[in-house]
Amino acid sequence: GAGVSQSPRYKVAKRGQDVALRCDPISGHVSLFWYQQALGQGPEFLTYFQNEAQLDKSGLPSDRFFAERPEGSVSTLKIQRTQQEDSAVYLCASTYGGLPDNEQFFGPGTRLTVL
Amino acid sequence: KQEVTQIPAALSVPEGENLVLNCSFTDSAIYNLQWFRQDPGKGLTSLLLIQSSQREQTSGRLNASLDKSSGRSTLYIAASQPGDSATYLCAVPTSSNTGKLIFGQGTTLQVKP
Repeated sequence: GAGVSQSPRYKVAKRGQDVALRCDPISGHVSLFWYQQALGQGPEFLTYFQNEAQLDKSGLPSDRFFAERPEGSVSTLKIQRTQQEDSAVYLCASTYGGLPDNEQFFGPGTRLTVL
Repeated sequence: KQEVTQIPAALSVPEGENLVLNCSFTDSAIYNLQWFRQDPGKGLTSLLLIQSSQREQTSGRLNASLDKSSGRSTLYIAASQPGDSATYLCAVPTSSNTGKLIFGQGTTLQVKP
């Protein structure tokens, strides 16, 4: 595909359920980011991968959040025991290189609603 | 700690008007600044990226300027159209080696026909 893709686009979960959100970055892109965007706010950083290595997870709000990228391509963000405050749009972005000045390309996001 | 602020939070203009969106940041040691567009329910579309060594970038009716010393960037939209209605976000990478972006809260623009 030409761009970053994410699935599902929409997810409704009952409080306490586990969810898994998938990101397919642009082919060949080394770096992958996850961001969380609350309604009416700008996105906030969650975690960063360079290839399969998770180099920064300082933005993950709690130990209920876990991300992986085992083969350095597709990434999954997992949220365990979802809470209502987890309701947000989760955005994935990728960049070609591993440099901080590389342009980031975003996917369409997954809108998570926790009831 | 880097903070990014966008003013105004919302803007409504008649079609055809030229307009300016503002973005300010507290730490001038940035690699670049990126402007994005976000349509309702959609992801972010990159509009312009200005490297720290550049003063401005242009794409069609869009022109973005960067003044690192004053911690400011502006996005100029010429001859606005209803299709320009969206939320516009600016972002800068942190000074860490990851390049994670710090975003402003966005300016929601409505262009009325």
